[in-house]
Amino acid sequence: GAVVSQHPSRVICKSGTSVKIECRSLDFQATTMFWYRQFPKQSLMLMATSNEGSKATYEQGVEKDKFLINHASLTLSTLTVTSAHPEDSSFYICSASAARVRGNQPQHFGDGTRLSIL
Amino acid sequence: GIQVEQSPPDLILQEGANSTLRCNFSDSVNNLQWFHQNPWGQLINLFYIPSGTKQNGRLSATTVATERYSLLYISSSQTTDSGVYFCAVNRDDKIIFGKGTRLHILP
Repeated sequence: GAVVSQHPSRVICKSGTSVKIECRSLDFQATTMFWYRQFPKQSLMLMATSNEGSKATYEQGVEKDKFLINHASLTLSTLTVTSAHPEDSSFYICSASAARVRGNQPQHFGDGTRLSIL
Repeated sequence: GIQVEQSPPDLILQEGANSTLRCNFSDSVNNLQWFHQNPWGQLINLFYIPSGTKQNGRLSATTVATERYSLLYISSSQTTDSGVYFCAVNRDDKIIFGKGTRLHILP
C-alpha cells in the first residue's frame, strides 16, 4: 500500500520550455503533498507544501511564479516549472501524506523526475 | 531552526558486515523517518519511528526522543543496501532532512 506515482521520470528540453510534473497517490487519499528538489550528492530541499483545495505554501527562497503547484484533488498534485532555464536542472521528488498536519502520518515518495534543461 | 546531523557521512563495508547509522537532532520533534535512496534516486521508506524500536528483517531502528537521537542498524549487509540513508524530522509543520550517510557495500 501507500504507492505514489510520479511522471515523467526524465525530461530533457530546451531553455524557455515549461515542464509539468505529476504526482499521484494511487491507493490512498493524499491530504498533503510535498515537492522537493535535490542537487547531486546533496540532501532533499523542501520547496513547497500543498494541501488539497488550498494554495501551496512555499519555502523561503522558492519563486512562486517559477514553480507553480496545483493540488486540485486528493490524489493529484502537479508542479510546473515555467520558462525553465539550465539552472533549473535538478532532481525533483514529490511525496504524499494522508495527514493535513505534517508529522502525523509518514510521507510516501514518488520515484522522482530528472529534469535537464539544455 | 532545528538541526539534523547524520553520522558517519560515508561508510564503506564488506558484504556481510553490520553497521550503525546515527541521526542527532537539536530539539524535540513530532516524528522521525528513515529513508534509503538507491543509486537510481528512488526514496524508500524504512521506518516511521518518533520513539521506541522497530525491526524489519535485517534492519532495525531505535529513537530515543528524550535524548534527541535515532539509530539505524543494518545487519548482514548486502550490495543492494548501497545508497544514501536519510533521516528526516518533523517539527512545528516543518520537515528537515539530514545530509545523509552514503553507504557502499563491497561484494
